[in-house]
Amino acid sequence: GAVVSQHPSRVICKSGTSVKIECRSLDFQATTMFWYRQFPKQSLMLMATSNEGSKATYEQGVEKDKFLINHASLTLSTLTVTSAHPEDSSFYICSARSDRGIYEQYFGPGTRLTVT
Amino acid sequence: QKEVEQDPGPLSVPEGAIVSLNCTYSNSAFQYFMWYRQYSRKGPELLMYTYSSGNKEDGRFTAQVDKSSKYISLFIRDSQPSDSATYLCAMSGRDDKIIFGKGTRLHILP
Repeated sequence: GAVVSQHPSRVICKSGTSVKIECRSLDFQATTMFWYRQFPKQSLMLMATSNEGSKATYEQGVEKDKFLINHASLTLSTLTVTSAHPEDSSFYICSARSDRGIYEQYFGPGTRLTVT
Repeated sequence: QKEVEQDPGPLSVPEGAIVSLNCTYSNSAFQYFMWYRQYSRKGPELLMYTYSSGNKEDGRFTAQVDKSSKYISLFIRDSQPSDSATYLCAMSGRDDKIIFGKGTRLHILP
């Protein structure tokens, strides 16, 4: 299958600071990228969907001013958690989908964010 | 009622046993059904997918969808310790948004 990378894999930051997470599709062009959040023993919750060159579409309850998403190219999307607080600590996973259909969606390895 | 219900387990079975994992759902618009495997602290990887009702087999894995009962299953034959992971069911309708179950933690005991 296709490869999606995320960087960093783990980050610890202080409350009030901002953190940027990168998601890259390494061997295919991702027309759509998704950002998920996963708490321990919980399901993946979709935060937002982004298409290259367009504004992201956020799910209900997700603050778009807090979770800034940029999908600048067909291989790169970034999630910036602004003014992070301890309750933002979670596992953030991106996925990338090509234009070949819903099954052609590949997940990154995730980023563990800890806010102290 | 949640859109997708999945028993979180953990489910422990001896090596070589047949494993049965299941999900129920409430949204009749779902037509794409998937099973993902997730190892600890890793992203999910797609295992099986089916469209609408029916069965699909791939090696030791069989996926079943019963749309009339809104029930999907994943069977693993000849289970191996390397199959120990969390298995997430997932489904989607025409809006292409994938909705995940909570995942079932599976332990295969050597």
